[in-house]
Formats: sequence, structure tokens, C-alpha cells
Amino acid sequence: DTEVTQTPKHLVMGMTNKKSLKCEQHMGHRAMYWYKQKAKKPPELMFVYSYEKLSINESVPSRFSPECPNSSLLNLHLHALQPEDSALYLCASSPGLAGGLAKNIQYFGAGTRLSVL
Amino acid sequence: EDQVTQSPEALRLQEGESSSLNCSYTVSGLRGLFWYRQDPGKGPEFLFTLYSAGEEKEKERLKATLTKKESFLHITAPKPEDSATYLCAVRIFQGAQKLVFGQGTRLTINP
Repeated sequence: DTEVTQTPKHLVMGMTNKKSLKCEQHMGHRAMYWYKQKAKKPPELMFVYSYEKLSINESVPSRFSPECPNSSLLNLHLHALQPEDSALYLCASSPGLAGGLAKNIQYFGAGTRLSVL
Repeated sequence: EDQVTQSPEALRLQEGESSSLNCSYTVSGLRGLFWYRQDPGKGPEFLFTLYSAGEEKEKERLKATLTKKESFLHITAPKPEDSATYLCAVRIFQGAQKLVFGQGTRLTINP
């Protein structure tokens, strides 16, 4: 089973709202990721967590705040977003960071379609 | 600068018409190349990973190959359900896991 579950599937929020995206995996993976994807563009990496510690922040604006409460859960807290932040937000996980072959394969969730009004 | 380029940007084929998608890369330290399939409004689905030049992987009508500078995704006798965007990504060494994605090839198979 290579399932990564994201909730909600769709989210509409105003620019003054605070909301959170949730991602969950039960594969025992120790690396988790947030990506942003605009229409007809590839996914862009936002954050990487390794063993529940933030290891990569791709200079993401502070209105996006990631959190990794435990090894199975990843949250993305949203506050004061702009309309240009509307996109598909993807979560992914991989078994680890080091080593070759299967440890590096990232498995993606179905995404949360976010619209900022 | 690490770069991944996919071609063509879009490809339209008739059912049963075989073809190939290209992914060329210039990276400082390749640590694996990955192919994903993405359907509209969904997350990318993992297809293959390749690590060494000369390596090949197959799955149903798809076959991925790797050289020192590029990878090909060969599609043999495609069916309409193979229509999707195919993404190529390379893993670069940065002390942590990072994938650099190409822009993707939008494949349409007409019945």
C-alpha cells in the first residue's frame, strides 16, 4: 500500500482566513514533503521534513507554516493568503533520504485544490 | 544550474501508434531519475526509477531507458487510458531529498 491521504480535497478561503491542510501516511515513511502545483506546471517543492524535523524550506513566504506533529502526519497552516496562492497543494512521502533505490521514491497524495478569493 | 527538459510539450497519437517521450538533464550530481504519470486534478503516480546509464524498466505498455544525458519513455501500442501528463524528475544530491521536475509532456491518445 502506497497511500498518502490529503484532506480536504477542496478548500475555498478568503484572504483573512486561517485554514490548515492535512496529510497522513501509514507506510512508516520518514520523509514528508509539501509541493505547490499551478495549472500546466510541474510541482514546486515547498518544504521537506526528515524524521519530523524541517530539513528544506524553499524560501516559502511565512503565510505558509508547516508542521509535522509525528512521523505519520504533516500539516500546512495557511494565513493571510493571496489570490496567486490558489493552486493544487500536494503532499508526498518517501521511506527515507539516504540510500538508493526504493528509499528515494516519493509517493504523492491526490492533493488539495485551494482557491483564495 | 540543474535543469530538466522534457520534449515534446504535447503529443497526440492514435490508438496503437507507438512513440517516445524525451527527458534530457544537466545536473551536477544525478542520484536517480524518476518518471511519474499525472491525471488532471490528481497527484503524480510513480512509474519508474532509474539510476545507472543503460538501465531499463518496463511496465505494461511503458518502457523507460536511461543514458548519461537523457531518458526516454517508450509507449508501445498505446490505449486511450494512457492519456495523461508524464513528468520526469531527477534527484540531486543536496544532503536531503530534492526532486527537480521537467515541465512534463501532455500525451493524448485518440481512439
